[in-house]
Amino acid sequence: LAKTTQPISMDSYEGQEVNITCSHNNIATNDYITWYQQFPSQGPRFIIQGYKTKVTNEVASLFIPADRKSSTLSLPRVSLSDTAVYYCLVGDYTGFQKLVFGTGTRLLVSP
Amino acid sequence: ETGVTQSPTHLIKTRGQQVTLRCSSQSGHNTVSWYQQALGQGPQFIFQYYREEENGRGNFPPRFSGLQFPNYSSELNVNALELDDSALYLCASSLEGLRGLTGELFFGEGSRLTVL
Repeated sequence: LAKTTQPISMDSYEGQEVNITCSHNNIATNDYITWYQQFPSQGPRFIIQGYKTKVTNEVASLFIPADRKSSTLSLPRVSLSDTAVYYCLVGDYTGFQKLVFGTGTRLLVSP
Repeated sequence: ETGVTQSPTHLIKTRGQQVTLRCSSQSGHNTVSWYQQALGQGPQFIFQYYREEENGRGNFPPRFSGLQFPNYSSELNVNALELDDSALYLCASSLEGLRGLTGELFFGEGSRLTVL
């Protein structure tokens, strides 16, 4: 499974757009890119998933360049409740769904 | 709310004891997996169950075992507890169907185990 690298922490203010970039240089052809969010003492929550180009849902956007060696999670107009750890995962999930989590990015949103 | 419930939410054990953690998956989900999350770390995959059989396992010793029942609920059993087993244990459910596996898991809030 491809290894991912993402910033350890980020700070932002309410109302700003936050972009978290994840590097995955060894991504394989069948791999998807998935982002999860985790609040303290809770399980991770699926945010968004993509294979290439751009994916958008009601929560976030995911930008994936043509070489797929990186991806950027974009959170528009963050609020205090977006303070959490964000994980970038890469995998093809064939056979069984082994999600490989790194240490994630701790996002702190301040007033 | 993911519809995945875990029990107990917190428990304390001593070294050498055994523990059983329980998980009820989201309605209709036929696949359950378990993860261990140490403080400050990301979750680590323990194993996955599909149709009552283990069909994938991470790098955990055999004293970590599990079961899945016909109603798709699951148990995680850990024997001979060690201090390093102190962690948040997360259960996640998903539906393996015609679309195959998608990487979208629905996690419970976890069981926090402390081993003294």
